[in-house]
Amino acid sequence: QQQVKQSPQSLIVQKGGISIINCAYENTAFDYFPWYQQFPGKGPALLIAIRPDVSEKKEGRFTISFNKSAKQFSLHIMDSQPGDSATYFCAASFMFSGGYNKLIFGAGTRLAVHP
Amino acid sequence: DTGVSQDPRHKITKRGQNVTFRCDPISEHNRLYWYRQTLGQGPEFLTYFQNEAQLEKSRLLSDRFSAERPKGSFSTLEIQRTEQGDSAMYLCASSLIPNLGGDRNSPLHFGNGTRLTVT
Repeated sequence: QQQVKQSPQSLIVQKGGISIINCAYENTAFDYFPWYQQFPGKGPALLIAIRPDVSEKKEGRFTISFNKSAKQFSLHIMDSQPGDSATYFCAASFMFSGGYNKLIFGAGTRLAVHP
Repeated sequence: DTGVSQDPRHKITKRGQNVTFRCDPISEHNRLYWYRQTLGQGPEFLTYFQNEAQLEKSRLLSDRFSAERPKGSFSTLEIQRTEQGDSAMYLCASSLIPNLGGDRNSPLHFGNGTRLTVT
């Protein structure tokens, strides 16, 4: 059961351009929305995360936009660089009765930034 | 902070054999997770430990899979009688239990995974 849908599957952007990746979720109980970056042969690494009580969060060139009513959130990479070429995963979670968060990941977007 | 360490990085085995993977979390992290990632997909949750207690197991974790975390430190994931469908990247992650009043969404730190190929 896929609870987080991510698009596009792949994305090609020119250096200096804006990369935009979108995610939609179904479960309104989700209350934490992180984005992870994964390079080949490496594990995912946390990039940026947002709570549903804010509509936007920015860290450097990376911005999350969050639309609670539409149950959608997106990652914007400004001034995209070849070093940003990686696979990006959105995720969502809520607190389980054991007090921990279980992340549900999207299927990923493979980003290629061309020089 | 030496990061989450997983061993081995790669494992090739024949169908029917047993395999065991090890995960060493970040030393002060008391939460430990196992995820499985197949090609072109996002990681899927397998199981969660808080200290030495296994608090949740996914339905993905069939009876052939068993995970342990003795003494709440390192963890092992064993797959018995491997099948070709078990071929995947097995990822371990760890995090801290947040302090009272702190942000309960303690970030997960992933290792670089063990890639299993079952022939």
